[in-house]
Amino acid sequence: EAGVVQSPRYKIIEKKQPVAFWCNPISGHNTLYWYLQNLGQGPELLIRYENEEAVDDSQLPKDRFSAERLKGVDSTLKIQPAELGDSAVYLCASSLDRGTGELFFGEGSRLTVL
Amino acid sequence: AQTVTQSQPEMSVQEAETVTLSCTYDTSENNYYLFWYKQPPSRQMILVIRQEAYKQQNATENRFSVNFQKAAKSFSLKISDSQLGDTAMYFCAFMLKQGGSEKLVFGKGMKLTVNP
Repeated sequence: EAGVVQSPRYKIIEKKQPVAFWCNPISGHNTLYWYLQNLGQGPELLIRYENEEAVDDSQLPKDRFSAERLKGVDSTLKIQPAELGDSAVYLCASSLDRGTGELFFGEGSRLTVL
Repeated sequence: AQTVTQSQPEMSVQEAETVTLSCTYDTSENNYYLFWYKQPPSRQMILVIRQEAYKQQNATENRFSVNFQKAAKSFSLKISDSQLGDTAMYFCAFMLKQGGSEKLVFGKGMKLTVNP
C-alpha cells in the first residue's frame, strides 16, 4: 500500500514568490493534516480536513497561506507571498480512524526562502 | 492549553543497551492520549506507541515500552536492546479525547543516536 506522497521534496524560492505543495493521502483516509515543522521543533498543526471540509484551520496564517482539498482526496497548500520566516518543512499526514491519534506522515516538503 | 516538554535535546547509546527518553506534559483534562512518534533521518514520521490516559497498564510494543505516571504527568519511553535503526528524532505528543478532535500537540523532540 502506498504511503502519503508529497511533492516537491525540496523547494528554493526568492522571498515574495509564491509556492505550492501537494499531498496525496493514503487511499481511504478521510482525514488530512498539514503540519509545519521548524528546525529543531516538533510539528505544529496548520490545518485539518475531514473529507473536503476544513474543520480546524485556526493556526493557518490566512493572510498568506491557503489550502484546499477538492473532492476530499488530494490537497494543496499554498503560500503567497513567501517570507524568509516560512523556511521550514511542511508535513502532510492522513488518518483513517478519527480520535485515535494514529497519523501517517509523508516525507515532507522542505522550503527554503532566500 | 496543553503543553508537552522534552527536556533532553539529545542522547546517545550503544547498540544493545537500554535507553529511556523522558517527557512531561501539562493538562487539566482527564481523558486524553499520549504518543511517541519516531522520525528517522528520511523524515517520514511514524507512530511508535500509544497510551490512553484511563488505562493504568503501561503500553508495550515489542522493544518499546512506556512508563506512564498520570499524577506526575510523566510519560517516558524505554527502548530495550537498542538497534542502529532506532537512530532518529523522537517526539512525545498529546491529544485530547473529545468529540473527534484530533489535534496532536508535539514536544520539541529528542535526537537519539545508537552507536555500533
